[in-house]
Amino acid sequence: QSVLTQPPSVSGAPGQRVTISCTGSSSNIGAGYDVHWYEQLPGTAPKLLIYGNNNRPSGVADRFSGSKSGTSASLAITGLQAEDEADYYCQSYDSSLSGWVFGGGTKLTVL
Amino acid sequence: QLQLQESGPGLMKPSETLSLTCTVSGGSISGSSYYWGWIRQSPGKGLEWIGGIHYSGSKYYSTSLKSRVTISVDTSKKQIALRLSSVTAADTAIYYCARYSADGDFDYWGQGTLVTVSS
Repeated sequence: QSVLTQPPSVSGAPGQRVTISCTGSSSNIGAGYDVHWYEQLPGTAPKLLIYGNNNRPSGVADRFSGSKSGTSASLAITGLQAEDEADYYCQSYDSSLSGWVFGGGTKLTVL
Repeated sequence: QLQLQESGPGLMKPSETLSLTCTVSGGSISGSSYYWGWIRQSPGKGLEWIGGIHYSGSKYYSTSLKSRVTISVDTSKKQIALRLSSVTAADTAIYYCARYSADGDFDYWGQGTLVTVSS
């Protein structure tokens, strides 16, 4: 049971917009800690996709965006492409655990 | 371009101590703004933060693994080491090393190394 809750799977057709939610609590997201998002393609290491709630590292397409409100955060992907098929993870800090925590991951399927 | 490379035994027996090394190249390990961490991923599962260290020696461990984990840094060799004692089958995972900032974003990752614990 992950501290941050994500839907196990989402799907969308090419060109569509999908969102992935990440629900936390008052000891992590709700406490004001930043949320970061990672993309993990099959057989590869995770790659930083969004940092500091809504910032994209250099080289990440502007089709990816992040937001945060209250005890939750979301990752939005617009103009869905086949290459976006991957697992996506959110991450934040938890003060009760005094450590970094990840969501359980969401598998994105491009139909 | 900063690169991280994990190394260590692929197969271990229960009760042994796991030792992994992460070698950093293409950049400094002594930057004051960054930390070096270990994250693992059990087969088909999600990511779990194990712990991290600053080049100055400050260490941070997951509460669930703290009793079995030791992380150290050798700045002269540009290496970060992980030791996990008394391993069981539950410790079977891909182990990644990664760089992260004080805000917790892990921006550079190694390719990961699979460790299997089996009798």
